[in-house]
Amino acid sequence: GAGVSQSPRYKVAKRGQDVALRCDPISGHVSLFWYQQALGQGPEFLTYFQNEAQLDKSGLPSDRFFAERPEGSVSTLKIQRTQQEDSAVYLCASSLSRGLGGYTFGSGTRLTVV
Amino acid sequence: DQQVKQNSPSLSVQEGRISILNCDYTNSMFDYFLWYKKYPAEGPTFLISISSIKDKNEDGRFTVFLNKSAKHLSLHIVPSQPGDSAVYFCAASAGYGGSQGNLIFGKGTKLSVKP
Repeated sequence: GAGVSQSPRYKVAKRGQDVALRCDPISGHVSLFWYQQALGQGPEFLTYFQNEAQLDKSGLPSDRFFAERPEGSVSTLKIQRTQQEDSAVYLCASSLSRGLGGYTFGSGTRLTVV
Repeated sequence: DQQVKQNSPSLSVQEGRISILNCDYTNSMFDYFLWYKKYPAEGPTFLISISSIKDKNEDGRFTVFLNKSAKHLSLHIVPSQPGDSAVYFCAASAGYGGSQGNLIFGKGTKLSVKP
């Protein structure tokens, strides 16, 4: 597709449930980022991939968060044993290369943990 | 501690007038700055950027000014249009073109342009 596609758009999870969020970046984009945006806040960096390599995961808030991009295209962000504080919009962005700041963001997945 | 600050949560402007959105930063290592625009239920859309070697960058109705000594940047929209109504995020990164590239975002300013 022409843009970054994320699915699902909305996810309601019971506390303790595992969730998986998917990101389809723009074809050919080497760099892929995940950001978390809490209500009333700006997006906060979670993790970065260059092709299939996860080069930076310093923003992941706990070991319950795990991301992968096994073939260097589609990426999945997995959250285990969800907690209420995980409720946020999870944004995926892709770029031709890391140095360029004009990333293209997807519309995000709104996760609500009840 | 917030490294990128947008101290005005909201701004209301009349159509046709200038909108000025402000952003301050604390990290002197930041060398690349961006503005994103966000509509409800959509992801942020890249608007305009500036590197630290410049003090101004212009693209149509949008101009970004950078004052490195004051660690301050601003986005000017002239003339403002109702379609500009959105949340505007200021973002910064360190090591443009180098090993860094993660964006640090402010909390955003909601701009309302009234007809």
